[in-house]
Amino acid sequence: DIQMTQSPSSLSASVGDRVTIACRAGQSIGNYLNWYQQRPGKAPQLLIFAASSLQTGVPSRFSGSGSGTDFTLTISSLQPEDFASYYCQQSYSNPTFGQGTKLEIK
Amino acid sequence: QITLKESGPTLVKPTQTLTLTCTFSGFSLTTSGVGVGWIRQPPGKALEWLALIYWDDDKRYSPSLKSRLTITKDTSKNQVVLTLTNMDPVDTATYYCAHRVKQKLSNHNWLDPWGQGTLVTVSS
Repeated sequence: DIQMTQSPSSLSASVGDRVTIACRAGQSIGNYLNWYQQRPGKAPQLLIFAASSLQTGVPSRFSGSGSGTDFTLTISSLQPEDFASYYCQQSYSNPTFGQGTKLEIK
Repeated sequence: QITLKESGPTLVKPTQTLTLTCTFSGFSLTTSGVGVGWIRQPPGKALEWLALIYWDDDKRYSPSLKSRLTITKDTSKNQVVLTLTNMDPVDTATYYCAHRVKQKLSNHNWLDPWGQGTLVTVSS
């Protein structure tokens, strides 16, 4: 299994802030990295695939970058609906997820 | 439109076997590259991938749970079934199934969409 480590595990921010979430893979995975958003009580939804490709319908304030072992998810200007948990997932081999980052309102 | 829905018991006793069914529409599990995966999430905790089944009946399992898991498909019914044996209270979780997509002309793949999930509690 490829271990995925996210940081921070939680984050407090305000509407309009720019936030960045990091994800590190235990070995090089190229750009085989996906990001999901999970709102409370809901199923995860795909935000970004292949490290930087925005899923259809996802607002452009979301962006992803990175390759190899280090990746980031950036939200350029937080909106109220963005307060949720975020998970990275490697798709290089059998899927594994990061432990999640909970984004809370400051 | 692709939809998936999980069904099964909400309460199981320790040592029992859990059987969950994922019923889907909007895609076929006979199409090359397509798969259905199962993922679980204990209350307040992270997502954990369990198993995947592909259009060609290839099956993959989480190494930590491989001895307890079985995944099968019934393409005529558009269903995927997951069984988890010897249930324990630590297996209490919301169980999700998801459509596995593979990008054409590359090996990139992702899980989208997901079902709504079903909460399974393990308790005597």
